[in-house]
Amino acid sequence: GAGVSQTPSNKVTEKGKYVELRCDPISGHTALYWYRQSLGQGPEFLIYFQGTGAADDSGLPNDRFFAVRPEGSVSTLKIQRTERGDSAVYLCASSATGGTNSPLHFGNGTRLTVT
Amino acid sequence: QKEVEQDPGPLSVPEGAIVSLNCTYSNSAFQYFMWYRQYSRKGPELLMYTYSSGNKEDGRFTAQVDKSSKYISLFIRDSQPSDSATYLCAMSETGRRALTFGSGTRLQVQP
Repeated sequence: GAGVSQTPSNKVTEKGKYVELRCDPISGHTALYWYRQSLGQGPEFLIYFQGTGAADDSGLPNDRFFAVRPEGSVSTLKIQRTERGDSAVYLCASSATGGTNSPLHFGNGTRLTVT
Repeated sequence: QKEVEQDPGPLSVPEGAIVSLNCTYSNSAFQYFMWYRQYSRKGPELLMYTYSSGNKEDGRFTAQVDKSSKYISLFIRDSQPSDSATYLCAMSETGRRALTFGSGTRLQVQP
């Protein structure tokens, strides 16, 4: 497909469990971003990758959250010991270069519900 | 206080009306200003992008930035029912790729 693909689209898990959320960016895009959007709020920045490396992870809320992009394409956001407050839509975006005038293309998100 | 404030709405207008959407912000380091549209259960899509102060027009959309007042606006002319969505403003500082979003304004255009 031509756009950013996120899987699964919905994930329900129990408190304390581990989850992985996957993002397939647009082919050739070097920059990849993760955001989290709670109900009625705007997206909140989590982490930004340029290539394989995390260039800015200042938005990760605590050490339960971790993200990787080992080959500079697909990225996985990992959440350990999930809490009910982690329930949100997790959005992935990619951009061609990561420059400030390189527009972000968002996926439709993974809706995470922690029961 | 949030760095970016945006009235959540909902804002309901008749088809054909001119819509004005606004955000205020407190961080004077913001230099890049964007407007995104988000349909229900979809990701945000970029509508307008502006650097520093000034106006930018694209079709029915006009974005304005007033850095002295820390105030940005999006105007939609000849609004259509298909414009019904949540509109998010977003901003970033020079050298940082992270965007700071407003909470979004829900717009309903009545046919």
